[in-house]
Amino acid sequence: QVQLQESGPGLVKPSQTLSLTCTVSGGSIRSDGYFWSWIRQHPGKGLEWIGYIYYSGNTYYNPSLKSRVTISFDTSKNQFSLKLSSVTAADTAVYYCTRGRTSSDHYWGQGTLVTVSS
Amino acid sequence: QSALTQPASVSGSPGQSITISCTGTSSDVGSYDYVSWYQQYPGKAPKLMIYEVSNRPSGVSNRFSGSKSGNTASLTISGLQPEDEADYFCTSYTSSSTRVFGGGTKLTVL
Repeated sequence: QVQLQESGPGLVKPSQTLSLTCTVSGGSIRSDGYFWSWIRQHPGKGLEWIGYIYYSGNTYYNPSLKSRVTISFDTSKNQFSLKLSSVTAADTAVYYCTRGRTSSDHYWGQGTLVTVSS
Repeated sequence: QSALTQPASVSGSPGQSITISCTGTSSDVGSYDYVSWYQQYPGKAPKLMIYEVSNRPSGVSNRFSGSKSGNTASLTISGLQPEDEADYFCTSYTSSSTRVFGGGTKLTVL
């Protein structure tokens, strides 16, 4: 059974970089054909796709966030990570990591709330 | 890329059927059979209900079905039950190899 768990600071100061890690258990992050995604949800709002990293290492990002986002693997720890730079209050959200196929997320982490505030 | 368009809310009585629409463009919904639907309860992570337009993951009730026509995808829930009351989101793959979500639909079971 695949499980994902997000971790990272719950509070980030404006202009700093938000860094989150997703630890995967029950399967390898380099398993053939999977997409590993980050999705966020602003309080009381809908879902926003941030980006994904394909098992091959190729990355794809939301055009509106592309200049600030980096998603990468840490194969030795079976983790993948999200870095979002120059954050503002508008980046306050619950951040989810997922595993899936093309545009479908079959497994989700429980989500982690990140608040941007000084 | 613009968000997919979903109705903000729909409602139905127990036992009835409801349909939630998800309208995109020829650059996303209209061009790919990579539309998924999620159910989300307050404070919980979303759950995949339909993938690739009409496929149900193991364990999802067959009361949930999906379809697509042109630039619009649809989620139909038949035999509505109180526990179906939740938020529903659609998502699609796009021609830029990215993804886009709909704004979400709140389903109320009367």
